[in-house]
Amino acid sequence: GDSVTQMEGPVTLSEEAFLTINCTYTATGYPSLFWYVQYPGEGLQLLLKATKADDKGSNKGFEATYRKETTSFHLEKGSVQVSDSAVYFCALSVLQGAQKLVFGQGTRLTINP
Amino acid sequence: ETGVTQTPRHLVMGMTNKKSLKCEQHLGHNAMYWYKQSAKKPLELMFVYSLEERVENNSVPSRFSPECPNSSHLFLHLHTLQPEDSALYLCASSRGPLGYNEQFFGPGTRLTVL
Repeated sequence: GDSVTQMEGPVTLSEEAFLTINCTYTATGYPSLFWYVQYPGEGLQLLLKATKADDKGSNKGFEATYRKETTSFHLEKGSVQVSDSAVYFCALSVLQGAQKLVFGQGTRLTINP
Repeated sequence: ETGVTQTPRHLVMGMTNKKSLKCEQHLGHNAMYWYKQSAKKPLELMFVYSLEERVENNSVPSRFSPECPNSSHLFLHLHTLQPEDSALYLCASSRGPLGYNEQFFGPGTRLTVL
Protein backbone atom coordinates (compact mmCIF):
# COMPACT_ATOMS: atom_id res chain seq x y z
CA GLY A 1 0.00 0.00 0.00
CA ASP A 2 0.90 3.67 -0.03
CA SER A 3 3.36 4.76 2.64
CA VAL A 4 5.76 7.52 3.67
CA THR A 5 9.01 7.08 5.55
CA GLN A 6 10.75 9.99 7.24
CA MET A 7 14.09 10.14 8.95
CA GLU A 8 13.73 9.50 12.61
CA GLY A 9 14.13 12.33 15.02
CA PRO A 10 14.59 14.16 17.10
CA VAL A 11 16.90 16.46 15.16
CA THR A 12 18.76 19.17 17.05
CA LEU A 13 20.69 21.89 15.25
CA SER A 14 22.24 25.22 16.02
CA GLU A 15 20.81 28.40 14.59
CA GLU A 16 21.93 29.12 11.00
CA ALA A 17 22.79 25.46 10.36
CA PHE A 18 21.73 23.67 7.17
CA LEU A 19 18.72 21.41 7.51
CA THR A 20 17.78 18.26 5.63
CA ILE A 21 14.89 16.00 6.63
CA ASN A 22 14.68 12.93 4.43
CA CYS A 23 11.39 11.62 3.11
CA THR A 24 10.78 8.69 0.79
CA TYR A 25 7.49 7.29 -0.35
CA THR A 26 5.82 4.26 -1.88
CA ALA A 27 2.75 4.82 -3.98
CA THR A 28 0.82 3.46 -6.88
CA GLY A 29 0.09 6.08 -9.46
CA TYR A 30 1.29 9.68 -9.24
CA PRO A 31 0.67 11.20 -5.85
CA SER A 32 1.02 14.81 -4.83
CA LEU A 33 3.57 15.36 -2.06
CA PHE A 34 3.37 17.69 0.90
CA TRP A 35 5.32 18.90 3.89
CA TYR A 36 3.27 19.95 6.89
CA VAL A 37 4.57 21.61 10.05
CA GLN A 38 3.09 21.42 13.53
CA TYR A 39 4.08 24.01 16.10
CA PRO A 40 3.53 23.25 19.79
CA GLY A 41 -0.14 23.25 20.75
CA GLU A 42 -1.35 23.76 17.21
CA GLY A 43 -2.72 21.77 14.32
CA LEU A 44 -0.83 21.02 11.13
CA GLN A 45 -0.08 23.76 8.62
CA LEU A 46 0.89 23.21 5.02
CA LEU A 47 4.50 24.23 4.51
CA LEU A 48 4.90 23.38 0.82
CA LYS A 49 3.73 20.98 -1.84
CA ALA A 50 4.59 19.54 -5.25
CA THR A 51 2.09 17.95 -7.58
CA LYS A 52 4.25 16.32 -10.23
CA ALA A 53 7.74 14.97 -10.84
CA ASP A 54 10.57 17.55 -10.80
CA ASP A 55 8.32 20.20 -9.21
CA LYS A 56 9.99 22.18 -6.45
CA GLY A 57 7.87 23.42 -3.59
CA SER A 58 9.16 26.30 -1.52
CA ASN A 59 8.01 28.48 1.35
CA LYS A 60 9.64 30.44 4.20
CA GLY A 61 13.11 29.41 3.01
CA PHE A 62 12.22 25.71 2.94
CA GLU A 63 12.45 23.73 -0.30
CA ALA A 64 11.67 20.21 -1.46
CA THR A 65 11.86 18.67 -4.92
CA TYR A 66 9.64 15.84 -6.13
CA ARG A 67 12.06 13.14 -7.28
CA LYS A 68 10.20 10.36 -9.01
CA GLU A 69 13.33 8.36 -9.85
CA THR A 70 14.31 8.10 -6.18
CA THR A 71 10.74 8.37 -4.81
CA SER A 72 11.90 11.12 -2.47
CA PHE A 73 10.80 14.55 -1.29
CA HIS A 74 13.52 15.72 1.08
CA LEU A 75 13.00 18.97 2.98
CA GLU A 76 15.87 21.45 3.07
CA LYS A 77 16.59 24.88 4.49
CA GLY A 78 19.85 26.72 4.18
CA SER A 79 19.84 28.53 7.51
CA VAL A 80 17.45 27.52 10.26
CA GLN A 81 16.10 29.77 13.00
CA VAL A 82 14.92 29.07 16.53
CA SER A 83 11.37 29.73 15.32
CA ASP A 84 11.64 26.72 12.97
CA SER A 85 11.49 24.39 15.98
CA ALA A 86 8.46 22.18 15.34
CA VAL A 87 7.42 18.74 14.15
CA TYR A 88 7.60 18.24 10.38
CA PHE A 89 5.43 15.74 8.52
CA CYS A 90 5.91 14.47 5.01
CA ALA A 91 2.73 13.28 3.31
CA LEU A 92 1.43 12.00 0.02
CA SER A 93 -2.03 12.42 -1.39
CA VAL A 94 -3.95 9.64 -3.04
CA LEU A 95 -7.38 9.73 -4.55
CA GLN A 96 -9.46 6.80 -3.40
CA GLY A 97 -13.07 7.90 -3.45
CA ALA A 98 -11.92 11.13 -1.84
CA GLN A 99 -8.54 12.66 -1.27
CA LYS A 100 -6.56 10.90 1.43
CA LEU A 101 -3.33 12.02 3.00
CA VAL A 102 -0.84 9.38 4.10
CA PHE A 103 1.61 10.81 6.62
CA GLY A 104 5.08 9.90 7.74
CA GLN A 105 5.69 9.54 11.44
CA GLY A 106 6.94 13.11 11.85
CA THR A 107 10.37 14.51 12.69
CA ARG A 108 10.80 16.73 15.71
CA LEU A 109 13.23 19.57 15.03
CA THR A 110 14.79 21.68 17.77
CA ILE A 111 16.94 24.69 16.95
CA ASN A 112 19.21 26.02 19.66
CA PRO A 113 20.32 29.66 19.68
CA GLU B 1 -13.77 33.29 12.60
CA THR B 2 -11.66 31.95 9.81
CA GLY B 3 -10.15 28.61 8.94
CA VAL B 4 -10.97 25.44 10.79
CA THR B 5 -12.05 25.61 14.42
CA GLN B 6 -12.44 22.78 16.90
CA THR B 7 -14.16 22.64 20.27
CA PRO B 8 -13.43 21.82 22.96
CA ARG B 9 -9.65 22.21 22.88
CA HIS B 10 -9.26 19.88 25.86
CA LEU B 11 -11.55 17.14 27.11
CA VAL B 12 -11.23 14.73 30.00
CA MET B 13 -13.79 11.96 30.20
CA GLY B 14 -14.42 8.71 31.97
CA MET B 15 -14.88 5.47 30.13
CA THR B 16 -18.64 5.52 30.64
CA ASN B 17 -19.20 9.09 29.48
CA LYS B 18 -20.66 10.28 26.21
CA LYS B 19 -19.20 13.38 24.66
CA SER B 20 -18.92 15.02 21.25
CA LEU B 21 -16.15 16.85 19.44
CA LYS B 22 -17.12 19.63 17.09
CA CYS B 23 -15.37 20.92 14.00
CA GLU B 24 -16.38 23.88 11.88
CA GLN B 25 -14.77 25.15 8.70
CA HIS B 26 -15.27 28.65 7.28
CA LEU B 27 -13.43 28.03 4.01
CA GLY B 28 -16.23 26.91 1.73
CA HIS B 29 -14.73 23.43 1.46
CA ASN B 30 -16.78 20.35 0.72
CA ALA B 31 -14.62 17.59 2.15
CA MET B 32 -13.91 17.09 5.86
CA TYR B 33 -11.75 14.64 7.77
CA TRP B 34 -11.10 13.30 11.26
CA TYR B 35 -7.57 12.22 12.21
CA LYS B 36 -6.15 10.71 15.39
CA GLN B 37 -2.67 11.75 16.49
CA SER B 38 -1.09 9.56 19.15
CA ALA B 39 2.38 9.87 20.59
CA LYS B 40 5.02 8.16 18.48
CA LYS B 41 2.57 7.03 15.79
CA PRO B 42 1.81 8.50 12.39
CA LEU B 43 -1.39 10.43 11.98
CA GLU B 44 -4.24 8.03 11.44
CA LEU B 45 -7.08 8.92 9.12
CA MET B 46 -10.35 7.96 10.78
CA PHE B 47 -13.19 9.28 8.61
CA VAL B 48 -13.65 11.20 5.39
CA TYR B 49 -16.78 13.06 4.32
CA SER B 50 -17.20 14.41 0.82
CA LEU B 51 -20.29 16.49 0.08
CA GLU B 52 -21.68 15.42 3.47
CA GLU B 53 -21.46 11.75 2.54
CA ARG B 54 -19.08 9.43 4.36
CA VAL B 55 -16.62 7.99 1.88
CA GLU B 56 -14.09 6.47 4.23
CA ASN B 57 -14.17 4.63 7.49
CA ASN B 58 -10.73 3.33 8.31
CA SER B 59 -11.73 0.36 10.46
CA VAL B 60 -12.48 2.70 13.34
CA PRO B 61 -14.19 1.13 16.40
CA SER B 62 -17.89 1.81 16.69
CA ARG B 63 -17.36 3.74 19.93
CA PHE B 64 -16.42 6.59 17.56
CA SER B 65 -19.39 7.83 15.56
CA PRO B 66 -19.03 10.70 13.06
CA GLU B 67 -21.75 13.03 11.89
CA CYS B 68 -21.66 15.60 9.10
CA PRO B 69 -24.95 17.55 9.07
CA ASN B 70 -23.71 20.02 6.42
CA SER B 71 -20.54 20.88 4.56
CA SER B 72 -19.36 23.28 7.28
CA HIS B 73 -19.77 21.11 10.35
CA LEU B 74 -18.36 17.79 11.44
CA PHE B 75 -18.88 16.01 14.74
CA LEU B 76 -17.25 13.03 16.40
CA HIS B 77 -19.49 11.39 18.98
CA LEU B 78 -17.67 9.42 21.65
CA HIS B 79 -19.02 6.77 23.98
CA THR B 80 -17.52 4.09 26.21
CA LEU B 81 -14.01 5.00 25.21
CA GLN B 82 -10.86 3.25 26.40
CA PRO B 83 -7.72 4.83 27.91
CA GLU B 84 -5.83 4.00 24.72
CA ASP B 85 -8.17 6.38 22.87
CA SER B 86 -6.46 9.29 24.60
CA ALA B 87 -4.91 11.35 21.81
CA LEU B 88 -5.10 14.59 19.86
CA TYR B 89 -8.04 14.51 17.46
CA LEU B 90 -7.59 16.70 14.44
CA CYS B 91 -10.20 17.86 11.99
CA ALA B 92 -9.31 18.99 8.48
CA SER B 93 -11.10 20.20 5.38
CA SER B 94 -10.24 20.51 1.71
CA ARG B 95 -11.68 21.98 -1.44
CA GLY B 96 -13.09 19.00 -3.25
CA PRO B 97 -11.75 15.53 -3.70
CA LEU B 98 -8.85 16.31 -6.01
CA GLY B 99 -5.56 14.79 -4.94
CA TYR B 100 -3.49 17.95 -5.11
CA ASN B 101 -5.71 20.06 -2.89
CA GLU B 102 -4.16 20.80 0.46
CA GLN B 103 -5.99 19.99 3.64
CA PHE B 104 -6.45 22.71 6.24
CA PHE B 105 -6.27 21.53 9.83
CA GLY B 106 -7.87 22.74 13.01
CA PRO B 107 -5.90 23.05 16.27
CA GLY B 108 -7.18 19.75 17.57
CA THR B 109 -8.96 18.49 20.68
CA ARG B 110 -6.69 16.93 23.29
CA LEU B 111 -8.70 14.00 24.68
CA THR B 112 -7.84 12.19 27.89
CA VAL B 113 -9.81 9.08 28.83
CA LEU B 114 -9.54 8.10 32.47
